[in-house]
Amino acid sequence: DIQMTQSPSSMSVSLGDTVTITCRASQDVGIYVNWFQQKPGKSPRRMIYRATNLADGVPSRFSGSRSGSDYSLTISSLESEDVADYHCLQYDEYPNTFGAGTKLELK
Amino acid sequence: EVQLVESGGGLVQPGRSLKLSCAASGFTFSNYYMAWVRQAPKKGLEWVATISTSGSRTYYPDSVKGRFTISRDNAKSSLYLQMNSLKSEDTATYYCARPGPFDWGQGVMVTVSS
Repeated sequence: DIQMTQSPSSMSVSLGDTVTITCRASQDVGIYVNWFQQKPGKSPRRMIYRATNLADGVPSRFSGSRSGSDYSLTISSLESEDVADYHCLQYDEYPNTFGAGTKLELK
Repeated sequence: EVQLVESGGGLVQPGRSLKLSCAASGFTFSNYYMAWVRQAPKKGLEWVATISTSGSRTYYPDSVKGRFTISRDNAKSSLYLQMNSLKSEDTATYYCARPGPFDWGQGVMVTVSS
């Protein structure tokens, strides 16, 4: 199975920060990476699809990028509503696999 | 509006079985692959099963292969997950999901404990 190694596992952040979360794929998954945001007690919400595309209704301060097997989610000018857990997902190959998640916490 | 509503969760003893259901609405169910994803308490997400539009193809990770069976009834716009030989590590919130546009249900809790 493809492993998605996500880092960091947690991050202490301040409002206005630029935050970057990364997933490294254990083998080529092409552009087939999604990023999800999840708030406590809620279902995940897709933020980025196909590595770099902003999902409908997602603020433009969110962006996705790819460098080789590294996939990144960047949040510019962090707002309070962005404090949440974030998960990457590869869907190039079955079984689809998630990263372990990143928890953003306010300092 | 797309809606995915799970049901069938609860407390079950180790080794027993449970069947989850997901009622879909707001889209043409038969046109989409569907999936189940779970999340153990305070843990990350884990992909559990995927089924093709006709139901002829299914995919599972090793952690549930041979114990879980995903199925669908396109006439009823419903998705199912039959879970057998349940283990304590299967304790999680189970989400019904529509990959692609990625819609999610609200989740249903399954607790495996004696």
